[in-house]
Amino acid sequence: AQSVTQLDSQVPVFEEAPVELRCNYSSSVSVYLFWYVQYPNQGLQLLLKYLSGSTLVKGINGFEAEFNKSQTSFHLRKPSVHISDTAEYFCAVGGVKAAGNKLTFGGGTRVLVKP
Amino acid sequence: DTAVSQTPKYLVTQMGNDKSIKCEQNLGHDTMYWYKQDSKKFLKIMFSYNNKELIINETVPNRFSPKSPDKAHLNLHINSLELGDSAVYFCASTTSGQGLYGYTFGSGTRLTVV
Repeated sequence: AQSVTQLDSQVPVFEEAPVELRCNYSSSVSVYLFWYVQYPNQGLQLLLKYLSGSTLVKGINGFEAEFNKSQTSFHLRKPSVHISDTAEYFCAVGGVKAAGNKLTFGGGTRVLVKP
Repeated sequence: DTAVSQTPKYLVTQMGNDKSIKCEQNLGHDTMYWYKQDSKKFLKIMFSYNNKELIINETVPNRFSPKSPDKAHLNLHINSLELGDSAVYFCASTTSGQGLYGYTFGSGTRLTVV
């Protein structure tokens, strides 16, 4: 079984400042890791994913995340945020051999970018 | 071209009614899901189908019954609706096989039970 903990429920940040969203997971098997973004009243959109290989993963909209196996973390970062980055962000984990490619999501982190 | 489309987008209904939500994907994926997002934004998997076969069935009341007529469609029927069923229901799809490519989500169906 897998679980995901997003350590911050809300992160206020000023425009053009950097942001980091923390995600820790637990799993008894090898995992795939994802970050999704949900804009108000919309579905979830894939930001980036880690399947294997380089631990630094680059995604869309200038986001990147680093997989740290020893710390079981997959933190998301952006060096300079825009107002349009205001959204809910979800970290998700899937077991490499999970039945049905099931993803388990964290509780989400709301990012509020202030001018 | 909408990749994963859900209908209706909004659904307001009274307690005790029966309602259905439909989902269709045109991505050629073979696995589809229903997730429930509660008022605190928490996402919980409900069901998954692979090529019309039920492969994930989480702890969900029997009032919820999924149906997949083909691998491009996954519907969710809810009997005897309760206030606690109010949530946003998301359909998602992916392709099985090597690796895990992440899901493509629909835009959600906001169900309000009054």
